[in-house]
Amino acid sequence: GAVVSQHPSRVICKSGTSVKIECRSLDFQATTMFWYRQFPKKSLMLMATSNEGSKATYEQGVEKDKFLINHASLTLSTLTVTSAHPEDSSFYICSAREGLAGVGDEQFFGPGTRLTVL
Amino acid sequence: QKEVEQNSGPLSVPEGAIASLNCTYSDRGSQSFFWYRQYSGKSPELIMSIYSNGDKEDGRFTAQLNKASQYVSLLIRDSQPSDSATYLCAVYPSGGSYIPTFGRGTSLIVHP
Repeated sequence: GAVVSQHPSRVICKSGTSVKIECRSLDFQATTMFWYRQFPKKSLMLMATSNEGSKATYEQGVEKDKFLINHASLTLSTLTVTSAHPEDSSFYICSAREGLAGVGDEQFFGPGTRLTVL
Repeated sequence: QKEVEQNSGPLSVPEGAIASLNCTYSDRGSQSFFWYRQYSGKSPELIMSIYSNGDKEDGRFTAQLNKASQYVSLLIRDSQPSDSATYLCAVYPSGGSYIPTFGRGTSLIVHP
């Protein structure tokens, strides 16, 4: 299957700082990338969907000014958590898909980034 | 609201048995279905996709799709303790949306 990387895998930061998470598709061009958040023992929660070269589409309840998403190229998307607070501590996972939609367009997940805000 | 339902479990099976995981969905027009496995503290990994009614086999895994009854299942033969994980069902809805809906996942425990 296709490979998606995320960096960093783990980050600890102080409250009020900003954290940037990178998501890269290593062996395919990702037309669409997704960002998820997952709290312990809870299900995946989609935060936003981004297509290369256009603005991200955020899910209801997700603050776009707090979670900045940039999908500047077909292999890279970034999520910046601005002014992070302890309640933002979570497991952030990106996924990537080669096509826009349709049969055969599986999503491949990155390994995730565990964010802890002190 | 297009929903994907899974029993959260845990489903406990003995080693060597067949584990059967089920998923139902509300959108009758859905065309693409995926099963992911997620180990604790890790991200999901794709196991199988299925698009047509019937069975699709890949090694010890068999996905079954019944669009008339709106369910998709995953069978794991000869279950191993290493199969213990949460299994997520994902469904692409109809209507042109390209955002899949994930179920909450079923926790599977395979005990020796």
